[in-house]
Amino acid sequence: GENVEQHPSTLSVQEGDSAVIKCTYSDSASNYFPWYKQELGKRPQLIIDIRSNVGEKKDQRIAVTLNKTAKHFSLHITETQPEDSAVYFCAASTGAGSYQLTFGKGTKLSVIP
Amino acid sequence: DGGITQSPKYLFRKEGQNVTLSCEQNLNHDAMYWYRQDPGQGLRLIYYSQIVNDFQKGDIAEGYSVSREKKESFPLTVTSAQKNPTAFYLCASSLLTGATNEKLFFGSGTQLSVL
Repeated sequence: GENVEQHPSTLSVQEGDSAVIKCTYSDSASNYFPWYKQELGKRPQLIIDIRSNVGEKKDQRIAVTLNKTAKHFSLHITETQPEDSAVYFCAASTGAGSYQLTFGKGTKLSVIP
Repeated sequence: DGGITQSPKYLFRKEGQNVTLSCEQNLNHDAMYWYRQDPGQGLRLIYYSQIVNDFQKGDIAEGYSVSREKKESFPLTVTSAQKNPTAFYLCASSLLTGATNEKLFFGSGTQLSVL
């Protein structure tokens, strides 16, 4: 089955700096790559996703890039703010349906004011 | 902040006891899921259901059981066969068709601990 590796497990940045979280996947058939953010004590929420026919997607300060050849995708957060502090999970899916999502182990991002 | 509701927020299990976690959604979603979250382990799928009266095992179904008698409800029972039940349990739902059919909507979770 699919295996998703996520790095780093923890990341600390100064407010205003950029943060990058990287994920690799094993199944070349994967075609959907979402990112979920889980603030402390709260439920995970989808913040951005990308499909395999797109190389990059942006939403304000957040962007995701996908390299299908290398089988890796990354989350980029620019101009980080304290409210960006959370655990971020990447995931990969090989087909239609969220039941086929395989999650990474998460990255705890701390933004230092 | 509604849509999918889990209860209770905290639950304690005694040795040899079965406990049931509740999950209700009013989003009219066809699919519902149960995930287990352990520190540093990400989210692992326990069971999922795409339609009433039907459900499938996920990656870590042993020691758990579910039912789907109503579209809105997907309770999870942690049985005494689950030897390491202490974890944070998340319920989720999603559409099965449409442009956003892969987006998961999560509940606020239940923290289960063993006494």
